[in-house]
Amino acid sequence: ETGVTQTPRHLVMGMTNKKSLKCEQHLGHNAMYWYKQSAKKPLELMFVYNFKEQTENNSVPSRFSPECPNSSHLFLHLHTLQPEDSALYLCASSQSVYQETQYFGPGTRLLVL
Amino acid sequence: EDKVVQSPLSLVVHEGDTVTLNCSYEVTNFRSLLWYKQEKKAPTFLFMLTSSGIEKKSGRLSSILDKKELSSILNITATQTGDSAIYLCAVEGAGAQKLVFGQGTRLTINP
Repeated sequence: ETGVTQTPRHLVMGMTNKKSLKCEQHLGHNAMYWYKQSAKKPLELMFVYNFKEQTENNSVPSRFSPECPNSSHLFLHLHTLQPEDSALYLCASSQSVYQETQYFGPGTRLLVL
Repeated sequence: EDKVVQSPLSLVVHEGDTVTLNCSYEVTNFRSLLWYKQEKKAPTFLFMLTSSGIEKKSGRLSSILDKKELSSILNITATQTGDSAIYLCAVEGAGAQKLVFGQGTRLTINP
């Protein structure tokens, strides 16, 4: 079992909808990440949180809004998305940032119509 | 235990030199190896190497995967000061749902 859970596993939304993705880690880690994985492309890092503080925003459009209320939970709020935002959104956590092993959740497969 | 080891940890060269960075790995059910460049912000993706794509090239940068030796190299030719960064190697294992990073190589290019 991965120790990192994500809900929902699948999401279909219209371009005018507002939805949120949730990630929870049970590993006692201090760093959490959001990644986007489009079809046949490698992972793209979106946001990094370290001890609940956002340390990186990798030029992500403002229609994606992260929230980290504590070290165990991470949200990605979605608003007025575009069809090209359809992808697999992966959450990961690690003991500390970057050069530690990152453990991934199962991902949320998002389809924007 | 899955492991990624990079060498050297630090490298200082002069502008115009060619450098080779190394990455070796031990991972269950290898799926892909990724190279990233990290400056004063989040890592930026360089290459992904898989069993079906063991050599990649982009401008002055190129990378080769040796699945037999469980390793990869990243070559940078005609280096420039803008190449100064930490270069990270990461390996993805199928089904393991984790990305294992190496320690990184800190590359400094002096003018």
